[in-house]
Order: sequence, then structure tokens, then C-alpha cells
Amino acid sequence: AQSVTQLDSQVPVFEEAPVELRCNYSSSVSVYLFWYVQYPNQGLQLLLKYLSGSTLVKGINGFEAEFNKSQTSFHLRKPSVHISDTAEYFCAVSERNNNNDMRFGAGTRLTVKP
Amino acid sequence: DSGVTQTPKHLITATGQRVTLRCSPRSGDLSVYWYQQSLDQGLQFLIQYYNGEERAKGNILERFSAQQFPDLHSELNLSSLELGDSALYFCASSVGSSRNTIYFGEGSWLTVV
Repeated sequence: AQSVTQLDSQVPVFEEAPVELRCNYSSSVSVYLFWYVQYPNQGLQLLLKYLSGSTLVKGINGFEAEFNKSQTSFHLRKPSVHISDTAEYFCAVSERNNNNDMRFGAGTRLTVKP
Repeated sequence: DSGVTQTPKHLITATGQRVTLRCSPRSGDLSVYWYQQSLDQGLQFLIQYYNGEERAKGNILERFSAQQFPDLHSELNLSSLELGDSALYFCASSVGSSRNTIYFGEGSWLTVV
């Protein structure tokens, strides 16, 4: 079965700095990849997803992620973060032939400091 | 606002008790998913229903059960509650049976004391 590892449990950055949240996955078949964001006291909101096509995926709030098949990674990036980006970010993976089984990473807590 | 509604938002109950969490999916969505989020286990998929039928099962305990009604709302029943069941329970919905795009509710906080 597929699995996903988020390499950093916490990422503190200063406002307007760039940020990268790392995600690696493991699967023996082709996958779909997702990034979700969870703001305090809220549910998960889809940031972006990779299903097929261009490996560079743009999402909401200025985030983007790049699918790298050879490195089995799907890192999330933003060139300049805001205080309002402070949240928990989850990477998720599902297998193309079994899309009902979506696995989530443990999450990365992004804290943006002034 | 994702359009997925969960009630109650907060619930405190004693060990051994039974609770029911409710979920109304987005208008038009046929699939409902239940997830459990806890500090030690992270976000765990419990179960999925599609148009009233169970579609996929994850790490759901035998003490837990769910159903989806003809109007497509869903209920998650948790019984013989233990302290370790304290968690945030999310409901999510999607149009079809796949999870290409699913929308999460704000969750129900369950505290077992």
C-alpha cells in the first residue's frame, strides 16, 4: 500500500521569506498527490492536486508543488509567505487503481513570524 | 465554508458511553467519508459511503459504525467509548466515488473523560 512521509513536523519562517514543505511518497503504482491546509479550528481545505499532465501544479493562495517521479516527491513551495499562511499542511497520496484509499502524512506545522 | 456540515462541534462524554456524530454533505455530493484526527495517530481514514452503500473501509474499530441515509446525510456511531477515542472527527464529501476532490467539514471534537 502507498504511504507518505512529511519530512518536517514544524517549519518556522519569517514573513515574506520563501518556504518549502517536503513530502515523499511510496507506492508501487502510479499515484495521485494532494496538499491540504488546515487552519486553526477548521477542516482541511484542498490547496492543490496532481492527477496527470504538467508536473508543476499551481494551487490557491500562491502555493505550488512539483511532482518528481524519480525522487518520489511532491514538495510544496511558496515564494513569499504571509502571517495568514500559518497553519498545518498535509500531503496525501492515493493510488490510481484504488482511489478510495487516500493516505495522509503526519502534517507539517508552518509558523510564519513577523 | 466547504458546504459540509457537521454536528455537534464539541462533545464531552464519559467512558463507556455512546455518541452519534452527524454529517450533511455538500449539495449534490453522493460520497461521504469519515476521518479521525488525533495527536498520536494523525489523520486516519475510517469509512466511506457512496449513495447509501458502504464503499471503502479503513481503520475503523468494531465499536464504531456508520451509515448513510436516503437523503445522503451520514452518521458515525461511537460506542463503549474509551479515553483514546478522544479526537477530532471529520466528515468529507465528494461528487463521485473517487477522492480526486473531497471537501472537509470543520470537524466534531470528541472528548472522552
